[in-house]
Amino acid sequence: ETGVTQTPRHLVMGMTNKKSLKCEQHLGHNAMYWYKQSAKKPLELMFVYSLEERVENNSVPSRFSPECPNSSHLFLHLHTLQPEDSALYLCASSQSDRFSYEQYFGPGTRLTVT
Amino acid sequence: AQSVSQHNHHVILSEAASLELGCNYSYGGTVNLFWYVQYPGQHLQLLLKYFSGDPLVKGIKGFEAEFIKSKFSFNLRKPSVQWSDTAEYFCAVNSGTYKYIFGTGTRLKVLA
Repeated sequence: ETGVTQTPRHLVMGMTNKKSLKCEQHLGHNAMYWYKQSAKKPLELMFVYSLEERVENNSVPSRFSPECPNSSHLFLHLHTLQPEDSALYLCASSQSDRFSYEQYFGPGTRLTVT
Repeated sequence: AQSVSQHNHHVILSEAASLELGCNYSYGGTVNLFWYVQYPGQHLQLLLKYFSGDPLVKGIKGFEAEFIKSKFSFNLRKPSVQWSDTAEYFCAVNSGTYKYIFGTGTRLKVLA
């Protein structure tokens, strides 16, 4: 059983909608990540939070807005998305001071933008 | 910029065949190396990792990988695959920062 949960698992939204993805980790980690997984592409790192502070924003369009209210929760707020934003969005967590340690991933949210 | 290359995008093997999946990275400094596996319908999970010591590392389910620094490689191997190894395999590199760089993945299909 994964220690990282994500909701919803599937989301279909129109280009004018606003929705949020939620991630929660139960592992006591202090770094959390959002990735975009598209077919035939490497996982794309979107955002990184360490100790609730954003430390990486990998040139992501402003229609994606992250929020990390505490070390266990991470949100990705979505608005006015484009069809090319359809993908699997993965959340991960790790220990921020131990990069030799692996990341733990959630099951992902399959997003379809119509 | 750092990058990870996985040369085999799709691999099809029969059960009991040997497996080797290639992974090369571009970074000259100290690296931490990972192989993740994603079984159908499941989340990404760690297969094995290397960060120091013996360059031959063993992971779960009989997998192993060898870090060859001179070749910037971290190839994944398994002597005899099973149908249950059907999955997508991702190589990843971390150079001691928040940036874990992933390859494009290799889809393995094992025929029973």
